[in-house]
Amino acid sequence: GDSVTQMEGPVTLSEEAFLTINCTYTATGYPSLFWYVQYPGEGLQLLLKATKADDKGSNKGFEATYRKETTSFHLEKGSVQVSDSAVYFCALSVTGNQFYFGTGTSLTVIP
Amino acid sequence: EAQVTQNPRYLITVTGKKLTVTCSQNMNHEYMSWYRQDPGLGLRQIYYSMNVEVTDKGDVPEGYKVSRKEKRNFPLILESPSPNQTSLYFCASSPLAGGPIRETQYFGPGTRLLVL
Repeated sequence: GDSVTQMEGPVTLSEEAFLTINCTYTATGYPSLFWYVQYPGEGLQLLLKATKADDKGSNKGFEATYRKETTSFHLEKGSVQVSDSAVYFCALSVTGNQFYFGTGTSLTVIP
Repeated sequence: EAQVTQNPRYLITVTGKKLTVTCSQNMNHEYMSWYRQDPGLGLRQIYYSMNVEVTDKGDVPEGYKVSRKEKRNFPLILESPSPNQTSLYFCASSPLAGGPIRETQYFGPGTRLLVL
């Protein structure tokens, strides 16, 4: 079946450090891939997405590239800020109706 | 303001006492979905609906019911709650425009449920 495996946390970084959160997937078809972010006490918000191989999603300094050959969609940011502290979820959907999420990675950025 | 609202936000109940969590969206979205979030398991999809009167099971539908009588509302019903349904529940909606647009989901703030 379809699934997402996400790097376990928690991750703690100093401000301006480089961030990578790994995400790999298994899918029966050709999935769209997503990164969602959840700030404390809130629902999830879409951070970025990619719908086909080699697409790069980007938003707010975050980037992720859809790599079909390695079935990966790793999230990166060159310089994190305290305001980036949140839980990050990788997700996929093949059908556009059913969605599969990873377990989430908690990021804390310290000044 | 475009939003997805859920009520109640917090609920404590006892085993077997029927409850309903409401979800409403004001964006005229066709697609709506329910998820539960548990530590170490991430989000798992319970049910989804493509439009009025059209619902389908997600990954973990056991013990839950849904209905979609109006486009804006998608209530989640627990007929006989059990402690293993203690969780954080999220409702989400999305326009059914086809292509990537449809896959951007807008999430509600969550409902934290404790079943004793």
